[in-house]
Amino acid sequence: AQSVAQPEDQVNVAEGNPLTVKCTYSVSGNPYLFWYVQYPNRGLQFLLKYITGDNLVKGSYGFEAEFNKSQTSFHLKKPSALVSDSALYFCAVREGGNNRLAFGKGNQVVVIP
Amino acid sequence: SAVISQKPSRDICQRGTSLTIQCQVDSQVTMMFWYRQQPGQSLTLIATANQGSEATYESGFVIDKFPISRPNLTFSTLTVSNMSPEDSSIYLCSVTSGKSTDTQYFGPGTRLTVL
Repeated sequence: AQSVAQPEDQVNVAEGNPLTVKCTYSVSGNPYLFWYVQYPNRGLQFLLKYITGDNLVKGSYGFEAEFNKSQTSFHLKKPSALVSDSALYFCAVREGGNNRLAFGKGNQVVVIP
Repeated sequence: SAVISQKPSRDICQRGTSLTIQCQVDSQVTMMFWYRQQPGQSLTLIATANQGSEATYESGFVIDKFPISRPNLTFSTLTVSNMSPEDSSIYLCSVTSGKSTDTQYFGPGTRLTVL
């Protein structure tokens, strides 16, 4: 069964500094990896995905993520954090050919002005 | 991506009652899913809503408690039956569409509080 680990509960970063949100995964087949963001009282918004191809994928709002097969990781990054990036971030994985998404517990990101 | 709406956006219900949540998409979609997000928790898949047939439920979820309908390719309902305070959660529908079948897009969610 697929699973996702997001080891940190909360990530605090100063505005303008680089932001990293960590994610490791476990699947038995090829992973399809996703990042979603949830703002207060809102649904999930899709940020980016890795299916195949370049290990570095770019997504919405200046976010990017790097797929590392040997470390089974898919960390989310942003070079310069904004206060408006403060939200809950979820990593998710599914196996290719399987529609069942498994989500991590989520990371609260707090960007400090 | 498809525009997804849910009704109601929130509700407060008494224990023992039932609530039906609607998910409407502005275009035909391939697959529809229902998730639950309990307070402070991650998302858990309840079931896959199959058009014209019974939903496919995940382990721990049963049709009697969470009946689901999907009469066409743009609409689905989830009913939370015989509610208890433990059912207080955000319920979200998600879809995949023909243009991007590998990505699920989520509705705004329905925040349910059971007293």
